[in-house]
Amino acid sequence: KAGVTQTPRYLIKTRGQQVTLSCSPISGHRSVSWYQQTPGQGLQFLFEYFSETQRNKGNFPGRFSGRQFSNSRSEMNVSTLELGDSALYLCASSPRTGNNEKLFFGSGTQLSVL
Amino acid sequence: QKEVEQNSGPLSVPEGAIASLNCTYSDRGSQSFFWYRQYSGKSPELIMSIYSNGDKEDGRFTAQLNKASQYVSLLIRDSQPSDSATYLCAVNGPGGTASKLTFGTGTRLQVTL
Repeated sequence: KAGVTQTPRYLIKTRGQQVTLSCSPISGHRSVSWYQQTPGQGLQFLFEYFSETQRNKGNFPGRFSGRQFSNSRSEMNVSTLELGDSALYLCASSPRTGNNEKLFFGSGTQLSVL
Repeated sequence: QKEVEQNSGPLSVPEGAIASLNCTYSDRGSQSFFWYRQYSGKSPELIMSIYSNGDKEDGRFTAQLNKASQYVSLLIRDSQPSDSATYLCAVNGPGGTASKLTFGTGTRLQVTL
């Protein structure tokens, strides 16, 4: 079974631009969540989607948004990029949504904002 | 006070020794606790989950949970150089789903020959 696939692997953007990242969950997994990882803050929760609905949202500005499609694939978008948005963006999937679900992470998209 | 705290390390242990990694959390209502391992340049990988007080063993790994003291620990027996990685403690709170985890910043473990 293929793992969580994220594309692209690397991105370089300049301030003010916008970016879209893509995530394909493990086959059969319906929950997709997104995390931002930086050296200073560690892993921080962005949002979770289940059955095309946003179930949870972290403490990030509205410039960060996402969506999920009927095939469970998900995209996240960051508009008006800032230097501080440079980070590794990780997508994780699980079969369902619930307290005891285990997350499986993709390899991430490394975003650099210049 | 951070919601999930870990000593950043590095924690250095000789090969074959027991590595003990600790984590404290602030939300007394937290229900699910996870340990992830992250190799440099790689994504986090789940190695243990624990939901009730006590010990849970899986091979060389033992997770320990004490909700009264609000700490969770991970023991790695017979440490191997391949265990050298950053270990992330993650917690989810009441009302949150497993996907909305709060992570500690991780403890870097170095297993020396």
